[in-house]
Amino acid sequence: QVQLQESGPGLVKPSETLSLTCTVSGGSISSYHWSWIRQPPGKGLDWIGNIYNSGSTNYNPSLKSRITISLVTSRNQFSLKLTSVTAADTAVYYCARARPSTTFGVAVPHYYMDVWGKGTTVTVSS
Amino acid sequence: EIVLTQSPGTLSLTPGERATLSCRASQSVSSSYVAWYQQKPGQAPRLLIYGASSRATGIPDRFTGSGSGTDFTLTISRLEPEDFAVYYCQQYNTSPYSFGQGTKLEI
Repeated sequence: QVQLQESGPGLVKPSETLSLTCTVSGGSISSYHWSWIRQPPGKGLDWIGNIYNSGSTNYNPSLKSRITISLVTSRNQFSLKLTSVTAADTAVYYCARARPSTTFGVAVPHYYMDVWGKGTTVTVSS
Repeated sequence: EIVLTQSPGTLSLTPGERATLSCRASQSVSSSYVAWYQQKPGQAPRLLIYGASSRATGIPDRFTGSGSGTDFTLTISRLEPEDFAVYYCQQYNTSPYSFGQGTKLEI
């Protein structure tokens, strides 16, 4: 079955760019859609954005000016870049598979997260 | 943005009891695009319920999702020791896809 693994630096300096990669195993990245979600320490979950197998994206407006999510098809990976980070970006970052809902057997563009990576902790500090 | 409010914040029960967790949306969530996730300490969330009432693969039938419109409920019929965790609801009807703040189910 599909498994996901996040990777990237655990420490990023303020004002720099956070870069994370999610490696997909057990399935082709081109066959599904994907999400990034984060969880600040001791807090709840925040949806960051989705990337669809077409390469199109849907970002949370609260982060839209700072984020880029991309497919790296040749490596069966997708990535997250978050620019101009501050301490508020300190969190556990999760990648997940975004599963479309179906209506009468037809996929509709409403996505829930059915498979999650274990998460990677990113701390923003000088 | 749709805001989800979960109640109670903390629910203290014992194994064998029935748990009822509530999730209220600030706007109607059409076609019941609501999911529930379970998160244990140090672990990633796990999908329990999607489409408000459909159990995900491998989820025991003691977990039941219900509701429509703005009010959704997760019921755990008979608590097992492994059910004590934090539970989050999520709406995926309207972007940005938002989560509730969580309900901690404790012994």
